[in-house]
Amino acid sequence: GAVVSQHPSRVICKSGTSVKIECRSLDFQATTMFWYRQFPKQSLMLMATSNEGSKATYEQGVEKDKFLINHASLTLSTLTVTSAHPEDSSFYICSAPPPGWNTDTQYFGPGTRLTVL
Amino acid sequence: EDKVVQSPLSLVVHEGDTVTLNCSYEVTNFRSLLWYKQEKKAPTFLFMLTSSGIEKKSGRLSSILDKKELFSILNITATQTGDSAVYLCAYSGAGSYQLTFGKGTKLSVIP
Repeated sequence: GAVVSQHPSRVICKSGTSVKIECRSLDFQATTMFWYRQFPKQSLMLMATSNEGSKATYEQGVEKDKFLINHASLTLSTLTVTSAHPEDSSFYICSAPPPGWNTDTQYFGPGTRLTVL
Repeated sequence: EDKVVQSPLSLVVHEGDTVTLNCSYEVTNFRSLLWYKQEKKAPTFLFMLTSSGIEKKSGRLSSILDKKELFSILNITATQTGDSAVYLCAYSGAGSYQLTFGKGTKLSVIP
């Protein structure tokens, strides 16, 4: 099956710093990737849709200047949490639909657990 | 507002038991309903359902969708400790790539 990786798997940072999370499709090209956030005991919430070669589309309530998304190639999307604060601590997961599949059958990366002190 | 409600929120069973997990949804422009299994990390895809009444099966897992009553069930027979996970239900609507997830059902299978 299609493989999506994320790096890092876990990061701890100080309040006010920025953190970059990478999402890679390892064996297929992804023109679209999705970024989700999951707080403890909560659902996955879609934050934004990352589009290769164009601007990301953000969901309502997600600050685009705080969560910077760059999809510079067909296999890599990055999410940068700028000026992170403790309330940004969460589990961030990316996903991508493999080509030729129904877009709904997204494959997820292993996630990145962010802790902001 | 569109939403997905899963029940029960948590469930503890013994190995060998059969479990049924429920997912009801309220959505306009429904396209598909999906089930995922989430252990400590990211969700893994189980099933995608688009048509009513057609059971999808994979080993001990099966799922079916009722578009009239707006719900889906996920059955797991002869449960094993490795089935312990959070099972997530999600839907997608026509015209959007977005998946809307329920809160999940935490299944614990004890020996």
